[in-house]
Amino acid sequence: DSGVTQTPKHLITATGQRVTLRCSPRSGDLSVYWYQQSLDQGLQFLIQYYNGEERAKGNILERFSAQQFPDLHSELNLSSLELGDSALYFCASSVEEIRSPLHFGNGTRLTVT
Amino acid sequence: DAKTTQPPSMDCAEGRAANLPCNHSTISGNEYVYWYRQIHSQGPQYIIHGLKNNETNEMASLIITEDRKSSTLILPHATLRDTAVYYCIVRAAPAAGNKLTFGGGTRVLVKP
Repeated sequence: DSGVTQTPKHLITATGQRVTLRCSPRSGDLSVYWYQQSLDQGLQFLIQYYNGEERAKGNILERFSAQQFPDLHSELNLSSLELGDSALYFCASSVEEIRSPLHFGNGTRLTVT
Repeated sequence: DAKTTQPPSMDCAEGRAANLPCNHSTISGNEYVYWYRQIHSQGPQYIIHGLKNNETNEMASLIITEDRKSSTLILPHATLRDTAVYYCIVRAAPAAGNKLTFGGGTRVLVKP
């Protein structure tokens, strides 16, 4: 158990809809990272937050947004969903230094029909 | 981010050591080498990391060459549960957010 909690585990929704994925980081970790893993692509970095502030951005679509709240949990919002958004979405957390590993949750599997 | 090159797949025998190579010839002096694995569709699991010295923990050993252009992850006694995709990653410097950029990894199959 990594200590990172993601909910829900599975989500099925229709095209055009909006969903929110939630992540609770490990106790004491200030950084949260979001990754997407599609069947035909590897793990893609989406965005990172540190103590409520956006720190780094990857290949995140404009239809996607995220935030980190004062209690450090984070939410990833996906809107105007398309079939191609079907993927595993992972959250990771870490202490903010290069020598501290990222610890990943077990992901949310999103299926868009 | 420094790019890494790993073989796409490899087999190893249960109970034997598994040696997983990784090339990272463009690594910078302050960039760490990290290894993760992903079993089926679970979240990536941290294994080990290092800067320039060899490292060992309860899961594996990491051997980094003196010029830091390559490394080897050693699983000392592979078990069937070690079947996974193994990722070698050169971690971005703090100014780039400390993120991990995953490549294709090595798909390791441990056979009885």
